Amino acid sequence: DTEVTQTPKHLVMGMTNKKSLKCEQHMGHRAMYWYKQKAKKPPELMFVYSYEKLSINESVPSRFSPECPNSSLLNLHLHALQPEDSALYLCASSQDPAPTGELFFGEGSRLTVL
Amino acid sequence: GENVEQHPSTLSVQEGDSAVIKCTYSDSASNYFPWYKQELGKGPQLIIDIRSNVGEKKDQRIAVTLNKTAKHFSLHITETQPEDSAVYFCAASIESYGKLTFGQGTILTVHP
Repeated sequence: DTEVTQTPKHLVMGMTNKKSLKCEQHMGHRAMYWYKQKAKKPPELMFVYSYEKLSINESVPSRFSPECPNSSLLNLHLHALQPEDSALYLCASSQDPAPTGELFFGEGSRLTVL
Repeated sequence: GENVEQHPSTLSVQEGDSAVIKCTYSDSASNYFPWYKQELGKGPQLIIDIRSNVGEKKDQRIAVTLNKTAKHFSLHITETQPEDSAVYFCAASIESYGKLTFGQGTILTVHP
């Protein structure tokens, strides 16, 4: 199993809503990542979890709250988002936290904030 | 921090031609250079990578070259096929640091 699974694939939310994005991998990888990708732009790193602990936060606003319940799961909790937060949110994992090898990306959750 | 510039932003070729995408990086400490392909509606997928102790690496129709002195690296795709059409991102990182810096991407279109 070399997949990173993200749910939901699409999400529409209002600025006052609370929602969560979920990510799962069963490759035994020790690092998991959240990236944000705007149209026609490269992925931008948001958070890195290494051995289930938050190791990198790229100065992301607190309306985005990551959580790593266990080594296979990664969540991104969303609250009071702005329309400019609309984007594709990509989860990724890698065997080592460096990363010195391949990042395995999910297909992403496309978020629209109204 | 690291800055990666990628050119061209769009590239259109005929099936069977070669395609070359070039990237330059700013941090001489960077030592890991992957290339990712992103098809429409999918996440990026690693297609090839190179480390700074190697000057060239090949995998079938895909090759990557690295010039550490000039701080640039390139992706070469030979005998292009329509299924090569996608967005290609180069990236650079310092191993053990944990952060990839991506280039801006190249939209490759291969015409049948």
